[in-house]
Amino acid sequence: DADVTQTPRNRITKTGKRIMLECSQTKGHDRMYWYRQDPGLGLRLIYYSFDVKDINKGEISDGYSVSRQAQAKFSLSLESAIPNQTALYFCATSDLSQGANEQFFGPGTRLTVL
Amino acid sequence: ELKVEQNPLFLSMQEGKNYTIYCNYSTTSDRLYWYRQDPGKSLESLFVLLSNGAVKQEGRLMASLDTKARLSTLHITAAVHDLSATYFCAVATGTASKLTFGTGTRLQVTL
Repeated sequence: DADVTQTPRNRITKTGKRIMLECSQTKGHDRMYWYRQDPGLGLRLIYYSFDVKDINKGEISDGYSVSRQAQAKFSLSLESAIPNQTALYFCATSDLSQGANEQFFGPGTRLTVL
Repeated sequence: ELKVEQNPLFLSMQEGKNYTIYCNYSTTSDRLYWYRQDPGKSLESLFVLLSNGAVKQEGRLMASLDTKARLSTLHITAAVHDLSATYFCAVATGTASKLTFGTGTRLQVTL
């Protein structure tokens, strides 16, 4: 089984709809991240969390919100989706106790906003 | 604001040839990561470089880090088709270890 899972894997929605993307991990890591990937722009950090009580904005948090329901679960919400939020979204995890703090990525969610 | 630049953005090379991908960054950091992404897939961690002068090798790929020059290189030796993918470098900054990614280098290895 995959260590970092994301649901749904693909989603098509309409402008103005509320969307939630979910991420779960079995790695036991304390840190979790949400990124979006756009062609030609690499990955950009949306939000990150170091534990259930710690949520931080990333580079491009406007229009997004997150919830860390448990150490293993980190959800990303688009309150009112707009077409320029069409992108590939990745969840990642890392472990503070490991000096390298290497991030491990989920399979991604392809979101299309019409 | 940290800037991470990769070049080239696209690289077409023949099997058996050698080439280097460059990753330059604009602020002090001693932690740099290389990832591989196949089309439509997730990112796979290749190398973690944690200090000046660090060198890591895996198969036909070798990564190095020069923190004074703010430069990392990913060297490909005797390329094979299976290495065709997009390669990203990412630089960690601050105690939060946030990653800033380069825009990626799409590598295409042809026969």
